[in-house]
Amino acid sequence: KQEVTQIPAALSVPEGENLVLNCSFTDSAIYNLQWFRQDPGKGLTSLLLIQSSQREQTSGRLNASLDKSSGRSTLYIAASQPGDSATYLCAVGGSWGKLQFGAGTQVVVTP
Amino acid sequence: DTAVSQTPKYLVTQMGNDKSIKCEQNLGHDTMYWYKQDSKKFLKIMFSYNNKELIINETVPNRFSPKSPDKAHLNLHINSLELGDSAVYFCASSLRGAEQFFGPGTRLTVL
Repeated sequence: KQEVTQIPAALSVPEGENLVLNCSFTDSAIYNLQWFRQDPGKGLTSLLLIQSSQREQTSGRLNASLDKSSGRSTLYIAASQPGDSATYLCAVGGSWGKLQFGAGTQVVVTP
Repeated sequence: DTAVSQTPKYLVTQMGNDKSIKCEQNLGHDTMYWYKQDSKKFLKIMFSYNNKELIINETVPNRFSPKSPDKAHLNLHINSLELGDSAVYFCASSLRGAEQFFGPGTRLTVL
């Protein structure tokens, strides 16, 4: 049974620092891994999708890596801004597109 | 706007009632999903349809019945609502199990 863990559960950094968010999963037989952002009371915004054959994906200040063999993914956010404050969710994709989510990392970026 | 939309946004009802949530996507996707986010903010998949065919049916009480009249629509009907059904329900869609895009959510409160 796939289990997805996100550490830390919460993170507070001053503006300008780089953010490093970790996600680990127990079963390496995954199709893809997707990172989302959720603002309070809102839906999920897709940030990056990494296919199982890829090692990393980049979009602007965001970079996500995937190491399937060790069951880990890391989301890096460069030069954080107060607008980056949100909960970041990692989701591992299985067969038929079934996503299994971690509990999230709540990020606060202070001005 | 191209998006995944859900109605209603908020639903407050009494225990024992029956209610429905509707979802529509105009992204041209072939797969749609229902997820439940509980009070601890944990997201879990409930159902998925691919081209109107049910492909994921997690361990969910049979009071919950999804229906997909066509590829662009997925509805969720809940019978005999219970207090524990209170949650935020998210609809999502994807193309062939790839990147998933989420709707804004429906906050269900059962009194």
